[in-house]
Amino acid sequence: DTEVTQTPKHLVMGMTNKKSLKCEQHMGHRAMYWYKQKAKKPPELMFVYSYEKLSINESVPSRFSPECPNSSLLNLHLHALQPEDSALYLCASSQGHAGGGANEQFFGPGTRLTVL
Amino acid sequence: TQLLEQSPQFLSIQEGENLTVYCNSSSVFSSLQWYRQEPGEGPVLLVTVVTGGEVKKLKRLTFQFGDARKDSSLHITAAQPGDTGLYLCAGEGAGTASKLTFGTGTRLQVTL
Repeated sequence: DTEVTQTPKHLVMGMTNKKSLKCEQHMGHRAMYWYKQKAKKPPELMFVYSYEKLSINESVPSRFSPECPNSSLLNLHLHALQPEDSALYLCASSQGHAGGGANEQFFGPGTRLTVL
Repeated sequence: TQLLEQSPQFLSIQEGENLTVYCNSSSVFSSLQWYRQEPGEGPVLLVTVVTGGEVKKLKRLTFQFGDARKDSSLHITAAQPGDTGLYLCAGEGAGTASKLTFGTGTRLQVTL
C-alpha cells in the first residue's frame, strides 16, 4: 500500500466554523507533513511530525492546529479561518530517515478548502 | 535560504516534440525529487536522484542530477497529451531531512 488518503476532498466553511482535515497512511512512515498550495504555486510547508512529535512549525497562524494521534494519522484542525486561507491542503508522508534519498515524500490527493 | 528555480515556467508544445525542463540552485542538495501534479490533485513522485551525475530513465522521461548536486534536468522524448501537468523539482538539503525545497514549477501543456 503506497497510498496517502485525505478526507474530505472538498470543504467549504465560514469564518466562524470549526472543521478538521484528516490524513492517513499505512506505509509505516514515521514522518508526516501538512502543506498549503495556492493556485499555480508550489506547495508551502506548514508542519512536520516526526515519530508522532511536532518537529517543524513554519510560523503557521494558530488558527491552524495540527494533531498526530498515532503514526498513521494526521489531522489539521481549522478554526476562525480567513478567506485568504482558501487553498489546496496536502498531506504527505515519508520514511523519516535523513539523507540518501530515503526521505521521499508521498502526497495525498489534497483537500480543496474554500473559506467564505 | 535554499531556492530552486525552474525554467521554463510554462511550455506549450505539440504531441511528438521533445522538451527539457531545468531546475537550478546555488545550494547543494543531498537528493532531488521530481513530481508531476495535475489540477486539483496531489503531486505524484516520478523519481529521486541522489548521486552527482546520476541519470535515471522512466519510459520517455530522462532525469539527470548535476555533478555538483546543485541542479537537475528532466527531458521528455516524444511528448504525449498525458504528459500535461505541473512539473515540480524538490531538493532535500543536507541536515534538513524533513524539509523539501520546492522549485518554482513548470507548467507543461501538450496538444494533439
